[in-house]
Formats: sequence, C-alpha cells, structure tokens
Amino acid sequence: SQTIHQWPATLVQPVGSPLSLECTVEGTSNPNLYWYRQAAGRGLQLLFYSVGIGQISSEVPQNLSASRPQDRQFILSSKKLLLSDSGFYLCAWGTGVANEKLFFGSGTQLSVL
Amino acid sequence: GESVGLHLPTLSVQEGDNSIINCAYSNSASDYFIWYKQESGKGPQFIIDIRSNMDKRQGQRVTVLLNKTVKHLSLQIAATQPGDSAVYFCAENGSGGGADGLTFGKGTHLIIQP
Repeated sequence: SQTIHQWPATLVQPVGSPLSLECTVEGTSNPNLYWYRQAAGRGLQLLFYSVGIGQISSEVPQNLSASRPQDRQFILSSKKLLLSDSGFYLCAWGTGVANEKLFFGSGTQLSVL
Repeated sequence: GESVGLHLPTLSVQEGDNSIINCAYSNSASDYFIWYKQESGKGPQFIIDIRSNMDKRQGQRVTVLLNKTVKHLSLQIAATQPGDSAVYFCAENGSGGGADGLTFGKGTHLIIQP
C-alpha cells in the first residue's frame, strides 16, 4: 500500500533562517506531488506541484521554493523565512490521472518568530 | 479564478443526529468533487468523491449529493459519532484533468455534542 511521510511535525524558526521540509512517498511510482499551505482556520492553498523529477510548477509568487530530486521525494525550502511563512504545510500525492484524488501527509506546523 | 466555498463555518449537532454540510462551487465546468475530513493537527483524509455524471453517491454513513443546476454539493453524515468532529472540506478538480491539484473550500467545523 502507498504511504506518505512528512517531517518534521512541528518546527519553530526565527525570521531570516532557512527552511527545509521533506516529503517522501512509498508504494507508488511517478506520482504527482504537491505542497499546500493552510492558514489557521482556513482552506488549503496550493503552493507547488510536480509531475516528475526536476519538474516544478509554482502556483503563487512567494518566498518559498520546491525541488524534486528523486521520483518520490519532494522538498519545500526557503533561504530566509518571513513571519508570513508561518502555517500548516501539507504534502500530498496523486496518481497522475485526470480528476485525481489526493492523499495527504500528516503536515508540518511551522511557526516563524 | 474559480472558487469553491462553504455556506457555514461551524455546524453543531447532537450525537446520533444526522448532519448536512453544504458547499457551493462557481465553476460550471467542474466535473469532479471530493469531500475531505481533517482532524486537528492532521492532514485531510479522503471521505468520498462524486463525478458530475452522478447526483448521489453513498458510502459508509456518508452520502454526497450533487446539484449541478445550482452548483451545490452536500455531505450527509448519518448517526453522527464523537469521532466525526472535524473540519470538512469540499474540493474540486475542474474539468481540465490537469495535474495542478485540487481547489479547496474554506471548510466547515462540525462539532458533535454529547
């Protein structure tokens, strides 16, 4: 069966520090991978998605970047965090077919202070 | 851009009662819809989905109804239990069949009272 791992679960970082969140998927090949951000009490905003190794699409201009160095690995990064980067970050994977459902990781709660 | 939204931010029901969570969408071309359940501090969990060629689909204790005429989607939960307390999101993937993920509504917080 497929599983998705996301870590860390919580992270507290000072403003201006770098960020690296990692997500890995097991049990499937060539998944579509996604990073979403969720503000407190709000819906999910798509940040990045990837249909293959080295292929990254950005949905919103921001202080963050994403990379996909391996088929089942997706990394969210920042060189210098801003206060506004605080939020709940969710990684998800999909099978790559049309009208796909997404399967989410457990999330990372990021607090930038 | 197109959006998916929910009518009520919070819904409180008695344990054992049925609950109905509503969702409106604006993209008339949307043809696939999903309901997710998100417990506090966790990622969204898939509940049930429906395609636009259907108007009703049933799962275990859950039913999704789709009214394309008024662009309205609802999730019915029968005989609610304490474990049903969570935020429920509807989402749509449009009609393009692309890889750019799902568009989510803001969510409804379902509270089950004993």
